[in-house]
Amino acid sequence: NAGVTQTPKFQVLKTGQSMTLQCAQDMNHEYMSWYRQDPGMGLRLIHYSVGAGITDQGEVPNGYNVSRSTTEDFPLRLLSAAPSQTSVYFCASSRTGPSGELFFGEGSRLTVL
Amino acid sequence: DQQVKQNSPSLSVQEGRISILNCDYTNSMFDYFLWYKKYPAEGPTFLISISSIKDKNEDGRFTVFLNKSAKHLSLHIVPSQPGDSAVYFCAASTYYGGSQGNLIFGKGTKLSVKP
Repeated sequence: NAGVTQTPKFQVLKTGQSMTLQCAQDMNHEYMSWYRQDPGMGLRLIHYSVGAGITDQGEVPNGYNVSRSTTEDFPLRLLSAAPSQTSVYFCASSRTGPSGELFFGEGSRLTVL
Repeated sequence: DQQVKQNSPSLSVQEGRISILNCDYTNSMFDYFLWYKKYPAEGPTFLISISSIKDKNEDGRFTVFLNKSAKHLSLHIVPSQPGDSAVYFCAASTYYGGSQGNLIFGKGTKLSVKP
């Protein structure tokens, strides 16, 4: 059982480039979310989705786009990467909704030069 | 303003002794609290939770205590083992109320258990 799968695990971008972080889950969870983890800042919510076709902003959404065309996939797009977006990104899903137990992927480490 | 605070960035404990990790929250609407454990280069994993109708929840070596009047919870690990060395995140949410809110995480406490 794969759980939550994130790709790529590592990525280096130049300022201004765009890219998409992929996230897929095979647990049929309606709720999915993206967090970023920065040193001394904990986990901060970027965007979340309560089901296919529904997305909403979290605490730190600027510079990121998301879409949810299927239950399984929740990609995170960086439109024009900035050094401030250097971080470790975690995708998570939940069977019980936004407030319950989250299952996290292994993370994607992004460096923006 | 931080709604979930873990004021100790790090904690060092001897193997076999008790580890106590603390967490404070400011939002009185929070009614569900969780602890996550994170190893380097891995995603966080769920450890234990507690709802606001309880003041204690146990799972093996891990016990979470909730003091609602003080808006404080703590995670006790007894006995501590070197494999418990990780970053521990406290999280809170409004789960049982009319509308669920997203989990709010603290900044984490890095626990080191020395052999």
